[in-house]
Amino acid sequence: GQQLNQSPQSMFIQEGEDVSMNCTSSSIFNTWLWYKQDPGEGPVLLIALYKAGELTSNGRLTAQFGITRKDSFLNISASIPSDVGIYFCAGPNRGSTLGRLYFGRGTQLTVWP
Amino acid sequence: SQTIHQWPATLVQPVGSPLSLECTVEGTSNPNLYWYRQAAGRGLQLLFYSVGIGQISSEVPQNLSASRPQDRQFILSSKKLLLSDSGFYLCAWSPGEFYEQYFGPGTRLTVT
Repeated sequence: GQQLNQSPQSMFIQEGEDVSMNCTSSSIFNTWLWYKQDPGEGPVLLIALYKAGELTSNGRLTAQFGITRKDSFLNISASIPSDVGIYFCAGPNRGSTLGRLYFGRGTQLTVWP
Repeated sequence: SQTIHQWPATLVQPVGSPLSLECTVEGTSNPNLYWYRQAAGRGLQLLFYSVGIGQISSEVPQNLSASRPQDRQFILSSKKLLLSDSGFYLCAWSPGEFYEQYFGPGTRLTVT
């Protein structure tokens, strides 16, 4: 099946630092989605991207749809302790049945106060 | 606004016992519905999805089955649980015409 490579797998940062993570695929994607999962809860949709080159912000979070349509990036500025969690990228590739998403394995973010 | 419910929140079941997990969505009609399993290794594995009542697609052949008896109700079942069925089960919904999926709070299943 489709593989999404998400990196890094884990990050340990100090409060106030900026964070960058990315996701790459072997095929072209029509949409990129970024989710955050808090421990013991379901993932929550953070940002959705629909066009190559698109840059979208949600508070301190900024995500970009790569121009090759095979990658996406998520940045978090001035991290705070509540940013702790697992961040997932997801998307459908060009041949996906409507609604079928592929997920990365996640980036575990730890923020030290 | 739309909300998605799952129950139970946690479940401990012995090997060989049956399973029934329920998911319901409020505030929308004709949603696409999904069941995922998340093991300790974090990845989300799609188990089943449904685009309408009685329409179920299985992604991974296994010990589980799914049913959609009503438009906004999705049920995950097993006749006999295995130890390997332990995990965090997530239900999700999406509007029929968009890819964004919205997840429920999950059910933590432990098979002993």
